[in-house]
Amino acid sequence: QVQLVQSGAEVKEPGASVKVSCKASGYTFSSHYMHWLRQAPGQGFEWMGVINPGAGTTRSAQKFWDRVTMSRDTSTSTVYMELSSLRSDDTAVYYCARGMSYIEANRLDPWGQGTLVTVSS
Amino acid sequence: QSVLTQPPSVSAAPGQKVTISCSGSISNIGNNYVSWYQQIPGTAPKLLIYERNERPSGIPDRFSGSKSGASATLGIAGLQTGDEADYYCGTWDSSLRSYVFGSGTKVTVL
Repeated sequence: QVQLVQSGAEVKEPGASVKVSCKASGYTFSSHYMHWLRQAPGQGFEWMGVINPGAGTTRSAQKFWDRVTMSRDTSTSTVYMELSSLRSDDTAVYYCARGMSYIEANRLDPWGQGTLVTVSS
Repeated sequence: QSVLTQPPSVSAAPGQKVTISCSGSISNIGNNYVSWYQQIPGTAPKLLIYERNERPSGIPDRFSGSKSGASATLGIAGLQTGDEADYYCGTWDSSLRSYVFGSGTKVTVL
């Protein structure tokens, strides 16, 4: 079955960077775009960006364009999301979610289990 | 501030039906498919409805979706205690070139 498994929880100080991984299995890794989203405590979802695992091309939300870097390792079917210059309001659960074979996702399925990133001094 | 608008909460007794609305614009719901997600607190979201009214394998037909213009609706029939969760609508926004969500609706079974 299609499965996304993310890396474990992280605690970072303000100004640091965090890198979250998402390992895919059960389908052809390069065939679907992978999206990154986050959910702050008690809040809704915020789309951060998307990567084409085959070509390695990315598109990020304007809010994050200068702080987020998405990458992939095709040999391990893993995508990565690195967020830099962390602030306290970056504290959230970060999710990867599989999209479509084209960038305009009409559904996100499945989602990874989520990675809690806590930013605190 | 979410791009799509949902009511904060809905409630009904077991066995009843609830509907959740999701309002957007021509650049998102008006020209793209809407998906609905269920999130039980502390867990990852699960896809319930996608495209016109499709359900992934394992999702019961008590869940249904519809769309009219720039608005969409999720229906949950035969409400069960296990349906208590937060429900989110989502779709691609062609102007923002990003995936957008509603603010979420909490379903309570009385």
